[in-house]
Amino acid sequence: QKEVEQNSGPLSVPEGAIASLNCTYSDRVSQSFFWYRQYSGKSPELIMSIYSNGDKEDGRFTAQLNKASQYVSLLIRDSQPSDSATYLCAVKLTGGGNKLTFGTGTQLKVEL
Amino acid sequence: SQTIHQWPATLVQPVGSPLSLECTVEGTSNPNLYWYRQAAGRGLQLLFYSVGIGQISSEVPQNLSASRPQDRQFILSSKKLLLSDSGFYLCAWIKAGGGTDTQYFGPGTRLTVL
Repeated sequence: QKEVEQNSGPLSVPEGAIASLNCTYSDRVSQSFFWYRQYSGKSPELIMSIYSNGDKEDGRFTAQLNKASQYVSLLIRDSQPSDSATYLCAVKLTGGGNKLTFGTGTQLKVEL
Repeated sequence: SQTIHQWPATLVQPVGSPLSLECTVEGTSNPNLYWYRQAAGRGLQLLFYSVGIGQISSEVPQNLSASRPQDRQFILSSKKLLLSDSGFYLCAWIKAGGGTDTQYFGPGTRLTVL
């Protein structure tokens, strides 16, 4: 079983719509969760981190965490063509070193 | 402000040749440093991490090695490259002792082994 799973997509949404990206993880004791955005040919950039159950909002982005269901999601409101990218979910592993394990990413396409 | 640099940006190397990729961080001290590889169409794979000078932890057995000769310098090396070493190599850092576990990535090095 993969430690972090994401649907590879592509997920296509029209401009202005809400994009919903999902991620499940296997380690029940994980406490730190991250969403990164990666444009083609570029390095990942942090969008949000989330540590507590519930929602965390930052501008057009909302991260949602449900530790009981081992599920974390990212909502993008008012999607723009510039949001077209691959979104990586990352989970901090238990143990030392602050190591992360990443999902393979979901490709989002926002269409005009 | 803290910044992270990687060089070279791109590299084309023949099979069997050596490799040296460098990562440096500015504006912080004693960071945790990480090397990842992203093969084409695949996820990020953690290769090595370091919590201090001379301290290297290897995550995946392979023909790569890492060194940390200075506090803010992290080097990825190989004596003989394989075709399977092609990929996008990313260095990341966390500010040590800052009460954070968020990793920030450098711009990456795209390596093609022919």
